[in-house]
Amino acid sequence: ETGVTQTPRHLVMGMTNKKSLKCEQHLGHNAMYWYKQSAKKPLELMFVYSLEERVENNSVPSRFSPECPNSSHLFLHLHTLQPEDSALYLCASSQDLMAGGRQETQYFGPGTRLLVL
Amino acid sequence: QKEVEQNSGPLSVPEGAIASLNCTYSDRVSQSFFWYRQYSGKSPELIMSIYSNGDKEDGRFTAQLNKASQYVSLLIRDSQPSDSATYLCAVMIRAGRRALTFGSGTRLQVQP
Repeated sequence: ETGVTQTPRHLVMGMTNKKSLKCEQHLGHNAMYWYKQSAKKPLELMFVYSLEERVENNSVPSRFSPECPNSSHLFLHLHTLQPEDSALYLCASSQDLMAGGRQETQYFGPGTRLLVL
Repeated sequence: QKEVEQNSGPLSVPEGAIASLNCTYSDRVSQSFFWYRQYSGKSPELIMSIYSNGDKEDGRFTAQLNKASQYVSLLIRDSQPSDSATYLCAVMIRAGRRALTFGSGTRLQVQP
């Protein structure tokens, strides 16, 4: 499989549930990202990882917990979410972080459509 | 002022016409600029990147960058109905950020 994959593609959860989103990149990249895209809003950066180290947490509530066990995998653990957290969650990867030029190009996975009831 | 600004549209053009999409950014030292296309319900896909002033052409797409004016644009020649999508401008903002900053996108409608 090539590119960036995400599972599940769709998720419905209650506010008391715990679930995890998974992202895997097959591009040999060193940086991975989580974004949130709500209806009619710009893409919001949530977390950035470089070589498995979290380098940015963009003021995301603690009910979202990222994990990067290796440079190919990224998880987003969800617990006690709110209905306003319903959105498309996108994972992306790039060759490197702040390296300039083509190495900063981000490639996106298909996203997980999350609905919180 | 938003870091990356785009007109939300919709921009409506007839089939075969040139569609012109514009983007302005606030950080004078930005060096990397990207255009992504996003179909409804899908994830963004990279169309073009541009790093230096001037024009860069790839098929029907031309990206134009003017760093002095802090302006980047995307031209789509011979627009097709399949080009109807939201186009996202993304800029590597250097100050205090380690990832791309996206504009809110311009919705393009190509009328058959």
